[in-house]
Amino acid sequence: DTAVSQTPKYLVTQMGNDKSIKCEQNLGHDTMYWYKQDSKKFLKIMFSYNNKELIINETVPNRFSPKSPDKAHLNLHINSLELGDSAVYFCASSQDSLRGGTLGTDTQYFGPGTRLTVL
Amino acid sequence: AQSVAQPEDQVNVAEGNPLTVKCTYSVSGNPYLFWYVQYPNRGLQFLLKYITGDNLVKGSYGFEAEFNKSQTSFHLKKPSALVSDSALYFCAVRGYYGNNRLAFGKGNQVVVIP
Repeated sequence: DTAVSQTPKYLVTQMGNDKSIKCEQNLGHDTMYWYKQDSKKFLKIMFSYNNKELIINETVPNRFSPKSPDKAHLNLHINSLELGDSAVYFCASSQDSLRGGTLGTDTQYFGPGTRLTVL
Repeated sequence: AQSVAQPEDQVNVAEGNPLTVKCTYSVSGNPYLFWYVQYPNRGLQFLLKYITGDNLVKGSYGFEAEFNKSQTSFHLKKPSALVSDSALYFCAVRGYYGNNRLAFGKGNQVVVIP
């Protein structure tokens, strides 16, 4: 009955490879997010989707492409992995709705994280 | 753009003593403020939030936080710290006129000494 789940938990890969991280939430939330936590534990938002629509797209290399097949899933695909991509990637979801006009006011629930190591 | 400052890198406190983790913020308009905790190798867990209303907010695990508009602060407190409270604590803010993003602070490592 995990609320926000991510797979895989650990991902070790070589530079130049392409990899995907999957996220699913069973909370019925409208909005999902991807965050990157670097080695200093600094947390930065990458993307956000609301009902399958991209609403936040931070300054992230084009090699990162989110995909939301439905509002319960938000996957992250990374092309041509680089050493600097090594980090922990967190998925999150919230009940925020664009119709409310106040995104970011509802509690975000985080997944357990995916530790990506690029060799 | 909204931002959060958590001035201390690490907070050390003896078990049983009061715990305070400081947070100040900068936003346009009224703030929406959150505290999250991260245990080792885990995701962030929600502790409490201030949206509107009473300035003193009570949350999970005996934590509370006080919203102080004049000092633009939202310090997290616990009257009596437990060893199990040792973790990384994040303050986050979004402004009413913000850009739909939660801005997180750099985090504070709390170490509770037995």
